[in-house]
Amino acid sequence: DAKTTQPNSMESNEEEPVHLPCNHSTISGTDYIHWYRQLPSQGPEYVIHGLTSNVNNRMASLAIAEDRKSSTLILHRATLRDAAVYYCILTQGAQKLVFGQGTRLTINP
Amino acid sequence: NAGVMQNPRHLVRRRGQEARLRCSPMKGHSHVYWYRQLPEEGLKFMVYLQKENIIDESGMPKERFSAEFPKEGPSILRIQQVVRGDSAAYFCASSLPDRAHEQYFGPGTRLTVT
Repeated sequence: DAKTTQPNSMESNEEEPVHLPCNHSTISGTDYIHWYRQLPSQGPEYVIHGLTSNVNNRMASLAIAEDRKSSTLILHRATLRDAAVYYCILTQGAQKLVFGQGTRLTINP
Repeated sequence: NAGVMQNPRHLVRRRGQEARLRCSPMKGHSHVYWYRQLPEEGLKFMVYLQKENIIDESGMPKERFSAEFPKEGPSILRIQQVVRGDSAAYFCASSLPDRAHEQYFGPGTRLTVT
């Protein structure tokens, strides 16, 4: 599986936008970009995924660079409930998810 | 629509006993995945099953661990002769056949081996 690189931790304030970066310079043409998050003491939660175009859903937006070597998960208005570890994962389809260390997001009230 | 259900939520076993972890996927989901999260470590894939078939077991330890997803009933992850190193949170996820990018996770079973 292609490797992703994320900052270990980030901090933001409540009700402000959050931009979580992910580098994936070895991504292949058939790799999908997924984001999952894990709140404390819970199972992971699907957030969003995309292939080439930017994607929006009720939880977040995914901005994918034109060369696909990086992407950014955007939380438009963070709440305290968004404090979690965010994982950026590449897969080629119906396969196992390979979780890295992720980014631990802290939201300040 | 109920989410992925796992039971028990907490399981305590003595060394050498067997542990059986159950996972009921979301309604209509025929793909099941098991992951393990050791204390202070990341999530690791264990096995991917469809009804009555093991598709990918590349993450399963070679001994003592087995998984099944029968035609009827929940998926079972079985650990024989548990050791202290098996203590972890075990998560099950499920997906629709044509929406495998979206895996929905259960709350996990926390196994403690004493």
